[in-house]
Amino acid sequence: SQQGEEDPQALSIQEGENATMNCSYKTSINNLQWYRQNSGRGLVHLILIRSNEREKHSGRLRVTLDTSKKSSSLLITASRAADTASYFCATDANDYKLSFGAGTTVTVRA
Amino acid sequence: DAGVIQSPRHEVTEMGQEVTLRCKPISGHNSLFWYRQTMMRGLELLIYFNNNVPIDDSGMPEDRFSAKMPNASFSTLKIQPSEPRDSAVYFCASRGGTERDTQYFGPGTRLTVL
Repeated sequence: SQQGEEDPQALSIQEGENATMNCSYKTSINNLQWYRQNSGRGLVHLILIRSNEREKHSGRLRVTLDTSKKSSSLLITASRAADTASYFCATDANDYKLSFGAGTTVTVRA
Repeated sequence: DAGVIQSPRHEVTEMGQEVTLRCKPISGHNSLFWYRQTMMRGLELLIYFNNNVPIDDSGMPEDRFSAKMPNASFSTLKIQPSEPRDSAVYFCASRGGTERDTQYFGPGTRLTVL
């Protein structure tokens, strides 16, 4: 079963704009991870945030985690055409099993 | 590092045939995962190995599916006999080293069962 659920399902933005997507989950977690998948490719790990962290940055990525609301957000700033991909959140509740959401498909228009 | 290697990248077979998917994890990683991705069900964990031992195979759909990890550098996922509903992209991922919580995915095998 999918623990994480992303919102929105799809997002279309202009190059240079910011993209924000959200993830909600149901049970307590050790950490939450975001992955990117380009069409026809495998998943690429973007960022991991632990349950005792509230915010994390990596380049143009910013992730927040609110464990009281069981939710996380991923912000991509100054988007580029190369950011066009599907983005998945994955929750780690028991040290090995990642539960993936259905993903948000992001299209960046030139 | 070459990353996780999977073969074949594409497989087309007929219903009833045996299919074997292969995976070489990243050297030094001690955990290996097999996932299946479909439009309907998304990404599902099929089986998890730690130090070559299967720890959790609760995601394996049925007895037609089996997975082995004879050594730290090789794993197989076998489907026998295959059915059209097995059509999906199968991913292998490995984990270990200093970033022990991060799973590194291979490029996947796209399986089509006719």
